[in-house]
Amino acid sequence: AQSVTQPDIHITVSEGASLELRCNYSYGATPYLFWYVQSPGQGLQLLLKYFSGDTLVQGIKGFEAEFKRSQSSFNLRKPSVHWSDAAEYFCAVGENKFYFGSGTKLNVKP
Amino acid sequence: NAGVTQTPKFRVLKTGQSMTLLCAQDMNHEYMYWYRQDPGMGLRLIHYSVGEGTTAKGEVPDGYNVSRLKKQNFLLGLESAAPSQTSVYFCASSYKTVNTEAFFGQGTRLTVV
Repeated sequence: AQSVTQPDIHITVSEGASLELRCNYSYGATPYLFWYVQSPGQGLQLLLKYFSGDTLVQGIKGFEAEFKRSQSSFNLRKPSVHWSDAAEYFCAVGENKFYFGSGTKLNVKP
Repeated sequence: NAGVTQTPKFRVLKTGQSMTLLCAQDMNHEYMYWYRQDPGMGLRLIHYSVGEGTTAKGEVPDGYNVSRLKKQNFLLGLESAAPSQTSVYFCASSYKTVNTEAFFGQGTRLTVV
């Protein structure tokens, strides 16, 4: 069965610090993986996606993610967090049907 | 560029009332989806459609019906609303190729009292 686990419900980091959000997936075939961001009261915006090829993918707003097949993981990273990055982040897997994790809420301390 | 548009944005229903949520996309996408978002549970797929005139059940379809009479529109119906259907509903759409992402609307916040 397809599923996505985001083990961290809430994360707080200081502005300027590095960030890593964890995502583990279970998927029967070659996974297509996504990270979305949701600001309060808004819809979901795609940050980045992995379909094949280079396992380190770059996204918008300075985010990147690394696909590790051996660990069934697709962790999201950012070297230096800005206050505007405070939002909820969702990892997803799927092809034409998308399965989402429960999300990680990011707080940024000034 | 409108993208995916949902109406209404907010709604309060009484238990037992019915309503229809409308989703419209202008990207000529074949696939459309309805999700509900509840705290701590992420997004769960209610129903989806792979083309005009076709629909299928997702993870949590009970209590909902859908229709896709036109390619650009996907309607979600609640025949008899229950408090457990209080949620934020998101519509999304995508191309039919496998290597594509979903594009989301802004959501509809529904409260059933």
